[in-house]
Amino acid sequence: SQQGEEDPQALSIQEGENATMNCSYKTSINNLQWYRQNSGRGLVHLILIRSNEREKHSGRLRVTLDTSKKSSSLLITASRAADTASYFCATGISGNTPLVFGKGTRLSVIA
Amino acid sequence: DTAVSQTPKYLVTQMGNDKSIKCEQNLGHDTMYWYKQDSKKFLKIMFSYNNKELIINETVPNRFSPKSPDKAHLNLHINSLELGDSAVYFCASSQDAAFEQYFGPGTRLTVT
Repeated sequence: SQQGEEDPQALSIQEGENATMNCSYKTSINNLQWYRQNSGRGLVHLILIRSNEREKHSGRLRVTLDTSKKSSSLLITASRAADTASYFCATGISGNTPLVFGKGTRLSVIA
Repeated sequence: DTAVSQTPKYLVTQMGNDKSIKCEQNLGHDTMYWYKQDSKKFLKIMFSYNNKELIINETVPNRFSPKSPDKAHLNLHINSLELGDSAVYFCASSQDAAFEQYFGPGTRLTVT
């Protein structure tokens, strides 16, 4: 069964605004990862947060993880047109179990 | 240098044909994957391959078979192609199944 479910499915914002995407999952995890996919390209890894971490930052990205609610959020601050892409969360369960990806949130940043 | 590369980038073929997609990674990773992304952008794991251990998603038809000549390569062979096989196929690699994955650029397969 699918692990990650992103919310919303699509998000449209103005350049300079913040974008928040959420991910919910169903079972215990080892880590949760966020990826970006530009149109016609492969996925690019953004950030990994482990199950014992609550928050992580990378540049304009901020990821939170709430294992009690089985949810994570990705915040992109001061968005740019170049942030327009689909964003996927993926959950890692154990060393031999492949990541399971959600369906993604499509973010449009309007200049 | 490209970390994960796939060829071809586009593949148009007729139903019933057999085709292969090649994947190579130069990251020294132990685990490689094949994913299928459908028109709704849903990314589905097809195979993972680690040190000659193959983990198959049970929903993948046996017309699909991965072949790994060495640790840096994982090719995908598809027999008797069907219209429903049309999708974008991504190869990826990682140090371990739970670590971050590095994706290739994708192969857009169109079956007519």
